[in-house]
Amino acid sequence: EAAVTQSPRNKVTVTGGNVTLSCRQTNSHNYMYWYRQDTGHGLRLIHYSYGAGNLQIGDVPDGYKATRTTQEDFFLLLELASPSQTSLYFCASSDSNSDYTFGSGTRLLVI
Amino acid sequence: GDSVTQTEGLVTLTKGLPVMLNCTYQTTYSPFLFWYVQHLNEAPKLLLKSSTDNKRTEHQGFYATLHKSSSSFHLQKSSVQLSDSALYFCALRPTNYGNEKITFGAGTKLTIKP
Repeated sequence: EAAVTQSPRNKVTVTGGNVTLSCRQTNSHNYMYWYRQDTGHGLRLIHYSYGAGNLQIGDVPDGYKATRTTQEDFFLLLELASPSQTSLYFCASSDSNSDYTFGSGTRLLVI
Repeated sequence: GDSVTQTEGLVTLTKGLPVMLNCTYQTTYSPFLFWYVQHLNEAPKLLLKSSTDNKRTEHQGFYATLHKSSSSFHLQKSSVQLSDSALYFCALRPTNYGNEKITFGAGTKLTIKP
């Protein structure tokens, strides 16, 4: 079954720490996205990609890097984590003829 | 830029009553509108979608009509159930060439009481 898998499910890090969130999709979709979800803000787009090696800047990119290493894998990097990045992160994939498929989310706490 | 506005942050209703969750949008392109539902500790899931003006679309008892004249896509249900308690997001995808990314509204938390 086509799916989007995120890891880890939960992560705690200290301010200034280095965090990598992983996302793998088996949908053969070209597009992948990283969103953060915060109460009162909905889901906000951080970065997205059209394919391996491609990266597009989303609406709230500050403090985040991303890399699409393969068609399947999309990583979100926080190189100097801050408490303001405490959030629930969702990865999603899509294609021109399909709806979004979301992963189960990664809950990140920066202390 | 593109935006989606959901005016109600919290809606609390008694089971069996009707509900309408408001959604308006802004875009310079022809719009594709979505409603997503997110139950507690789950990922958002597509509830319904439309790009056709003035045509009602329905799924799982919920329905919405895209009105381009008023830039609205309100979600309705005639009789809510306890299982409808969830977070509801309205979302927009402008249909300009090559654009696949979706802009979400802030969400409406719907709580149904017995």
